[in-house]
Amino acid sequence: AQKVTQAQTEISVVEKEDVTLDCVYETRDTTYYLFWYKQPPSGELVFLIRRNSFDEQNEISGRYSWNFQKSTSSFNFTITASQVVDSAVYFCALSEAYGGATNKLIFGTGTLLAVQP
Amino acid sequence: DTEVTQTPKHLVMGMTNKKSLKCEQHMGHRAMYWYKQKAKKPPELMFVYSYEKLSINESVPSRFSPECPNSSLLNLHLHALQPEDSALYLCASSQDPLGNTQYFGPGTRLTVL
Repeated sequence: AQKVTQAQTEISVVEKEDVTLDCVYETRDTTYYLFWYKQPPSGELVFLIRRNSFDEQNEISGRYSWNFQKSTSSFNFTITASQVVDSAVYFCALSEAYGGATNKLIFGTGTLLAVQP
Repeated sequence: DTEVTQTPKHLVMGMTNKKSLKCEQHMGHRAMYWYKQKAKKPPELMFVYSYEKLSINESVPSRFSPECPNSSLLNLHLHALQPEDSALYLCASSQDPLGNTQYFGPGTRLTVL
């Protein structure tokens, strides 16, 4: 069965520290998509990145970077020089085919990141 | 523009009330979704509309009734809810239902008394 594991329930860091959020997934599909979403206290899920299974290039966007390794089924997310505004719950998700005509997002349980000033 | 709007932001209702949640997107997306999220849990899929037709119902109780009047609008009609239905209800849309990015609205925080 498809599954996403975020083993870190909560992480607390001090501002300017680097932090890595881990995500491990399981799937039997050869074509799949991985996502990261941020959910601040306001509640809205904010899309951060989408990766397809054929693209293992790492990506950097400002202070954010993602490391995708198919060999270890991991899609880790690093925030460099963390800021208080980064405090949120971060969800990793896997898109799986569902019923032939639709994909379904399988979410991990989320990691609560608290950045202290 | 990747905006999905939801109204109302907050809703308090009694168990005998009938209310509706509304979701709107103007990105030309052809798939729309309802999720329910309890505190400290990930979102749980409730319904998927694909090209204005209901394609997935995740065994949701009939007291929740979705409706897709057109490609931009998605409603969730609520009737005879229970206190355990109190949650954040999130709407999302994607370009199509096959693996494209889902963009979420800000959610409606529902409290059932």
